[in-house]
Amino acid sequence: QVQLQEAGPGLVKPSQTLSLTCTVSGGSITSGDSYWSWIRQPPGKGLEWIGYIYYSGTTYYSPSLKSRITLSVDTSKNQFYLKLRSMTAADTAVYFCARGPSQYYDSGGYPGIKTSFDPWGQGTLVTVSS
Amino acid sequence: QSVLTQPPSVSAPPGQKVTISCSGSNSNIGNNYVSWYQQFPGTAPKLLIYDNDKRPSGIPDRFSGSKFDTSATLDITGLQTGDEADYYCATWDPRLSSGDALFGGGTKLTVL
Repeated sequence: QVQLQEAGPGLVKPSQTLSLTCTVSGGSITSGDSYWSWIRQPPGKGLEWIGYIYYSGTTYYSPSLKSRITLSVDTSKNQFYLKLRSMTAADTAVYFCARGPSQYYDSGGYPGIKTSFDPWGQGTLVTVSS
Repeated sequence: QSVLTQPPSVSAPPGQKVTISCSGSNSNIGNNYVSWYQQFPGTAPKLLIYDNDKRPSGIPDRFSGSKFDTSATLDITGLQTGDEADYYCATWDPRLSSGDALFGGGTKLTVL
């Protein structure tokens, strides 16, 4: 079955750029109609979607983070990546990668998005501190 | 403050039923599919319900989801102490030029 694993630094200094890698195993990142997402969770708080990428390179970003994030993909390595610029203490969180969402077409042929995220990586804690 | 509103906490004794609500609007829940996640401390969320009311393989039928208008609910019957966890709803909100995946604020379930 498909498994995801995040990798990256546990500590980032304020104003620096965070770079994270998500490695997909047990399946190809190019298969199916799924997008691949990054989601984060500040300590003791809820989940926040960051953005997703399709294997073709098409990206969709959370409006609240759009100005600071870049997602990319390397299909030859079965990996996708997150870069988050100008990090502050508010960006301290556990960062998860996950498969999802997926696109569908309704009975009228109109496209929609199904936000089911499965599976998830185990998550990696990123702390922003000098 | 999350766009999707969940009660911060719910509780019920073992064996009983609990309902967790997720309230949104026409732009999100009202016109999009809802999913639900279970998260234990220190672990990644796990998909419980997708497409409003479908269970992935391996999820017990004690867990069920439904959606009506701009709200969704997660029902858990036959509560077990092992169900104590945080539960999140999620849906899509097609706003601006790209849209946004939204999560509820989460609900902590206590099995008394």
